[in-house]
Amino acid sequence: DAMVIQNPRYQVTQFGKPVTLSCSQTLNHNVMYWYQQKSSQAPKLLFHYYDKDFNNEADTPDNFQSRRPNTSFCFLDIRSPGLGDAAMYLCATSGFDGKTNYGYTFGSGTRLTVV
Amino acid sequence: AQTVTQSQPEMSVQEAETVTLSCTYDTSESDYYLFWYKQPPSRQMILVIRQEAYKQQNATENRFSVNFQKAAKSFSLKISDSQLGDAAMYFCAYRIFGNEKLTFGTGTRLTIIP
Repeated sequence: DAMVIQNPRYQVTQFGKPVTLSCSQTLNHNVMYWYQQKSSQAPKLLFHYYDKDFNNEADTPDNFQSRRPNTSFCFLDIRSPGLGDAAMYLCATSGFDGKTNYGYTFGSGTRLTVV
Repeated sequence: AQTVTQSQPEMSVQEAETVTLSCTYDTSESDYYLFWYKQPPSRQMILVIRQEAYKQQNATENRFSVNFQKAAKSFSLKISDSQLGDAAMYFCAYRIFGNEKLTFGTGTRLTIIP
């Protein structure tokens, strides 16, 4: 089945130690997003790629960066994780494939713990 | 700035009964989409139902239907014949036509009582 896959499902990292979260998709959607979702809160958009065009949200900290080497893969890099960065990180894609009709397709998320 | 408000942090409903989750939004745009997403515990967020703002007819997907009132900027979700599997966090979301960004409400946690 076409889908959005996030690895790992759970990630524990040390305070200040760089960490990378990955996302892949088989939907061939041209837009990929990274959202941060803290407990009991709405997902907050960090940035998105429209093809290779990177779009950063104004309030996304510099500590967060992203790479999209090709259509299928997108990575979230946290350069120096702080305790406040502990959250669920959601990857999503967007595109019209006859089913999603401009909605998003989400991955299962990566829950990041910072110790 | 566009905002989405869900005024019910938690709701509960008896199994097989009907429940309505409310959502209001604020926008000056005329072309946009509205969505309800479901996020079960520890599982991925999935699309429940979608509404285009230019359509007057309310969207329906099996047991899920919406009451879209454009003038009032209201977009409520009705779940009929509630089932245990409907237990989840429900997010209302909004997207301007031609814009990639999806703006979420704060969510409503729905509990189904057996």
